[in-house]
Amino acid sequence: SAVISQKPSRDICQRGTSLTIQCQVDSQVTMMFWYRQQPGQSLTLIATANQGSEATYESGFVIDKFPISRPNLTFSTLTVSNMSPEDSSIYLCSVEDSRGNYGYTFGSGTRLTVV
Amino acid sequence: KNEVEQSPQNLTAQEGEFITINCSYSVGISALHWLQQHPGGGIVSLFMLSSGKKKHGRLIATINIQEKHSSLHITASHPRDSAVYICAVWPYNTDKLIFGTGTRLQVFP
Repeated sequence: SAVISQKPSRDICQRGTSLTIQCQVDSQVTMMFWYRQQPGQSLTLIATANQGSEATYESGFVIDKFPISRPNLTFSTLTVSNMSPEDSSIYLCSVEDSRGNYGYTFGSGTRLTVV
Repeated sequence: KNEVEQSPQNLTAQEGEFITINCSYSVGISALHWLQQHPGGGIVSLFMLSSGKKKHGRLIATINIQEKHSSLHITASHPRDSAVYICAVWPYNTDKLIFGTGTRLQVFP
């Protein structure tokens, strides 16, 4: 199945700052998904990133807060902007895995703490 | 009511026990996924299934499409199985997964 390298694995950030999370896939994929998992909660889809077009955001998420780049078919970034403690979560990227039998492959997650 | 419900929410077992985690859903689906999330946050896909049963090592996943229900079984459980197990469904005509809230499993030696 596809392999995703997600960085950073964790970070502690000051409120008001921004953090950019990177996901690199070892194969070309059409769609990449960005999720947030708040403490004790399930995964929530932030947006879907397609190469060459604007990301599609889910209800409750906006581009100014979570800008996404998708410069090519193997790479994407998610920025968490102007952070507050409520942004403390695990952020994960995911891709559809057409090569494997598991449907979706997930990154290793970024554990963000905002102080 | 959530579209994907898991039970139990928390599960404690002794090493060697047989474990069952259940998932019920209310939408028509193309496939169902079982995922494993370790304390660091990373998620590993265990199974994707749309009918019947799949087995991988000590893990077995079954699905009953008519009853909209799936189970994940772990035989001869081991402390390294301790993790959160998440059921996620892939509804028809969408690329977006719907996730259950997870089952936290702790296996003690």
